[in-house]
Amino acid sequence: SQTIHQWPATLVQPVGSPLSLECTVEGTSNPNLYWYRQAAGRGLQLLFYSVGIGQISSEVPQNLSASRPQDRQFILSSKKLLLSDSGFYLCARSEGGWQDGYTFGSGTRLTVV
Amino acid sequence: TQLLEQSPQFLSIQEGENLTVYCNSSSVFSSLQWYRQEPGEGPVLLVTVVTGGEVKKLKRLTFQFGDARKDSSLHITAAQPGDTGLYLCAGSSGTYKYIFGTGTRLKVLA
Repeated sequence: SQTIHQWPATLVQPVGSPLSLECTVEGTSNPNLYWYRQAAGRGLQLLFYSVGIGQISSEVPQNLSASRPQDRQFILSSKKLLLSDSGFYLCARSEGGWQDGYTFGSGTRLTVV
Repeated sequence: TQLLEQSPQFLSIQEGENLTVYCNSSSVFSSLQWYRQEPGEGPVLLVTVVTGGEVKKLKRLTFQFGDARKDSSLHITAAQPGDTGLYLCAGSSGTYKYIFGTGTRLKVLA
């Protein structure tokens, strides 16, 4: 099983508060892991991706950071949330081949108030 | 910057009608995928196309990759309410990353 666990499913946070979203995956080892953000009903914006433990590539300069402390754990963080950080955050995995599709988690709906 | 534009953005049709969704770019992609997403869920992969001109069929869904590998289309025959959702194309230039399209929201009315 290539299951992806994301939590929490929904989150309401005040502006200026910290954030930690966790994604854990099952299945084959050393997967490529990704964090995407989706605006309401629209396409996905790639935020970070990782091809291995401790390796993080950032796609968009912003208020967020990512870490991969273990092979199957990917964390999205912020020290101080902004209103513009609201959105639907999705964790995804692929097995390395660029022809392979992504398997997505069920997402976290973040509302910053 | 690679961009994938999808059209139409929104589509509302009656059950039994046919429809086509388009995914266009000025960039060449090594492969292109189509996903369907339900509200509150992550996208689910439908198909991957890798060869220019390739056509793949998945029941009532037909996917085509353009000859120049810059565009793709998704055709649904005899749409059903269960086809309702957000359809996303995503392209890769041979790296670990996929660039996602702007999305087409389809609603099929019974």
